[in-house]
Amino acid sequence: TQLLEQSPQFLSIQEGENLTVYCNSSSVFSSLQWYRQEPGEGPVLLVTVVTGGEVKKLKRLTFQFGDARKDSSLHITAAQPGDTGLYLCAGESGYSTLTFGKGTMLLVSP
Amino acid sequence: EAGVTQFPSHSVIEKGQTVTLRCDPISGHDNLYWYRRVMGKEIKFLLHFVKESKQDESGMPNNRFLAERTGGTYSTLKVQPAELEDSGVYFCASSWGTGYEQFFGPGTRLTVL
Repeated sequence: TQLLEQSPQFLSIQEGENLTVYCNSSSVFSSLQWYRQEPGEGPVLLVTVVTGGEVKKLKRLTFQFGDARKDSSLHITAAQPGDTGLYLCAGESGYSTLTFGKGTMLLVSP
Repeated sequence: EAGVTQFPSHSVIEKGQTVTLRCDPISGHDNLYWYRRVMGKEIKFLLHFVKESKQDESGMPNNRFLAERTGGTYSTLKVQPAELEDSGVYFCASSWGTGYEQFFGPGTRLTVL
């Protein structure tokens, strides 16, 4: 069974701070995706990383895929209250089946 | 363009009753997925349709769960009879093709008392 461990589970910070969320697995995935979910809504895809060592940037968000394609990180620079939400990583291992982590709940206070 | 819709948004039933959840995918999306999140756990895959065919149903927990997608458009997920451990949020997602981005619906929160 493939598992994705996310850390931390909860993160409460002040506006303007930086943060990093981690997603680790003992298994290799063909790609790894990061989602953001808000209350009452489904997960929304932020980015997909495919190549080991890949780094993608989305405004103040930086996503990195580990060289061995087993782990990933999400770094947010100068967090804003609008970044508040549940961040989920999900690995894809063929046939489109996604394996999700439990998520990191981020609260950014003004 | 309308996104993935799910009905109902909430359902509260008693143990032993039957519940049917519905998912309408984005128009033109042949791939439809069902996922479930039980409280305190991660979102878990249930099954995957390609048009009306079940591509992968390895995540279905047991034979109390029946998913259908007649005509390859909307899908239903029936739980009969419901048990307490079936409580959770059921998400549906659709994609244009296998390996393409999956778009998630808002989910149906099922509570079994």
